[in-house]
Amino acid sequence: AQSVSQHNHHVILSEAASLELGCNYSYGGTVNLFWYVQYPGQHLQLLLKYFSGDPLVKGIKGFEAEFIKSKFSFNLRKPSVQWSDTAEYFCAVKKTGGSYIPTFGRGTSLIVHP
Amino acid sequence: DAGVTQSPTHLIKTRGQHVTLRCSPISGHKSVSWYQQVLGQGPQFIFQYYEKEERGRGNFPDRFSARQFPNYSSELNVNALLLGDSALYLCASSGTWLEYFGPGTRLLVL
Repeated sequence: AQSVSQHNHHVILSEAASLELGCNYSYGGTVNLFWYVQYPGQHLQLLLKYFSGDPLVKGIKGFEAEFIKSKFSFNLRKPSVQWSDTAEYFCAVKKTGGSYIPTFGRGTSLIVHP
Repeated sequence: DAGVTQSPTHLIKTRGQHVTLRCSPISGHKSVSWYQQVLGQGPQFIFQYYEKEERGRGNFPDRFSARQFPNYSSELNVNALLLGDSALYLCASSGTWLEYFGPGTRLLVL
């Protein structure tokens, strides 16, 4: 069964600091990869996705992620965080083809101090 | 446009009871998925329905069941509730590969 690991469970940064959140998955086949964000009191929403093509994908609010197939990783990055980036971040993986069973990581709680 | 809507927003039940949660997808979306999110964890996939047929099932006991109606709305049913079923239940709808999540139903089992 596929699994997703998010290594940083809690991250605390000051505004303007750079951010990198790790995500590794265990499935060896072709996958679609996602990062979701959940702001306090809001719905889970999509930050960015990778289906195929350029492994460096750009999402909303200045976030980007790089898919490194050889490392089974899909790390999320932002060069300069803002207080408004305080949220819970989830990495998710879906196998392509076969049964539809998406897998989420346990999440990373990010707190940005002004 | 209205997003994904779920009802009720909060629910308190006792062990052994049954619960039905409801979800209305975004207009035009034919697929609905259900997730369970326990505090401090990521969403865990329960079911996906597409065009009223089950397309995927996660690792949940048979006490969990779901269905999708002709208007693409969906119900999640949980029988014989356990304390461990206390969680936020999320519904997501999709037209293609992208899922849009609703606000969730918070279920507390006492």
